[in-house]
Amino acid sequence: IHLTQSPSSLSASVGDRVTITCRASQDISSHLAWYQQKPGKAPKLLIYAASTLQSGVPSRFSGSGSGTDFTLTISSLQPEDFATYYCQQLNSYPLTFGGGTKVEIK
Amino acid sequence: EVQLLESGGGLVQPGGSLRLSCTTSGFTFSNYAMSWARQAPGKGLEWVAVISGGGGSIYYADSVKGRFTISRDNSKNTLYLQMNSLRAEDTAVYYCAKVMVQPGRTIRPFDFWGQGTLVTVSS
Repeated sequence: IHLTQSPSSLSASVGDRVTITCRASQDISSHLAWYQQKPGKAPKLLIYAASTLQSGVPSRFSGSGSGTDFTLTISSLQPEDFATYYCQQLNSYPLTFGGGTKVEIK
Repeated sequence: EVQLLESGGGLVQPGGSLRLSCTTSGFTFSNYAMSWARQAPGKGLEWVAVISGGGGSIYYADSVKGRFTISRDNSKNTLYLQMNSLRAEDTAVYYCAKVMVQPGRTIRPFDFWGQGTLVTVSS
């Protein structure tokens, strides 16, 4: 299952609302997770089952979608949110990740 | 506190072998599936393999099937990745990850990751 993320990068300011999309090549129901990765660090789980916030993750992060189209939204971008974001499908093996979206400071 | 620590990375020639280890603490290791993922320099994430808590269920990415072997020693709380017939395209940071519990699902996301170990395949 191929995952296409868009955009591949974006520039935004603190306080902006940011939306990242992930499109699956086939129906994956709600079996999608989102991760955040900062340079030189391991990925961190943000959201699973398309819209369930992982424990400890700020509520400004939210996920939505089902089937083939999914969205990660950051309601008000904070300085610590500048990072690369990946989606991952958990519908079937082999597991796959999207190509990533780098969120940079405008 | 959950901790995952990878080791065993390094420089290896094409065609060579390497075994990675992931020592864990802070959770009941045998109760959780574990996985390996990798990231080539400047590139995105790629899933490599997963093994169930008891070791009886294993899946691989097509890119490593037949060359890599995932295993675990529950008495030592340690996960392994034996990598044979290494190629230049296997050069990456290799992460081990703990698979989270998610009722009703057999395929689940990764809730904790190690810091990674770098494998470089070059002559």
